[in-house]
Amino acid sequence: DGGITQSPKYLFRKEGQNVTLSCEQNLNHDAMYWYRQDPGQGLRLIYYSQIVNDFQKGDIAEGYSVSREKKESFPLTVTSAQKNPTAFYLCASLPRTENTGELFFGEGSRLTVL
Amino acid sequence: GQNIDQPTEMTATEGAIVQINCTYQTSGFNGLFWYQQHAGEAPTFLSYNVLDGLEEKGRFSSFLSRSKGYSYLLLKELQMKDSASYLCAVRGRTGGGNKLTFGTGTQLKVEL
Repeated sequence: DGGITQSPKYLFRKEGQNVTLSCEQNLNHDAMYWYRQDPGQGLRLIYYSQIVNDFQKGDIAEGYSVSREKKESFPLTVTSAQKNPTAFYLCASLPRTENTGELFFGEGSRLTVL
Repeated sequence: GQNIDQPTEMTATEGAIVQINCTYQTSGFNGLFWYQQHAGEAPTFLSYNVLDGLEEKGRFSSFLSRSKGYSYLLLKELQMKDSASYLCAVRGRTGGGNKLTFGTGTQLKVEL
């Protein structure tokens, strides 16, 4: 079945370490997104990519980096520069030509900094 | 920029009807979405409005007034499984990457 796979589901990291969250989709979607969610908060956009080898900063890109070398993959690296990285991270995708713009979400990755 | 407001919490009784409101101010508008999110899970799509009026889908309906910057989600015949957070999201202008800006969500608790 087609879908979006995020890994790992749970991740613990020590302060000062970089960590990379994986996001893979087999929906043949052009656009991919990374959101961050904190307790009691809505989703905030970190980075997005509309096409391979191109990506744009969202509202809270500082301390994060991404790459889009393949259509199927959009990994997110949480760097040591991110001051408060503990959060729930959601990856999503969208067919470029889809009219309704419904985002398809992965199951999420919960990152905890010890 | 975009600003989205919705109530933080609501409580309703099983079998009843509840209306969750959402107001927004945007620099451009290209659609409003409602998502349901259970604790620790990914959001799931409920509804989409781009024109004024009511969209009905089973027990759920969503209304939009673009001139008022207002939407509501109506849930009928509430069930215990409807206890979740409901997120209102707005899509900005066309060509802006189809980005969605989300509200903070309304935590709905359904009681017996």
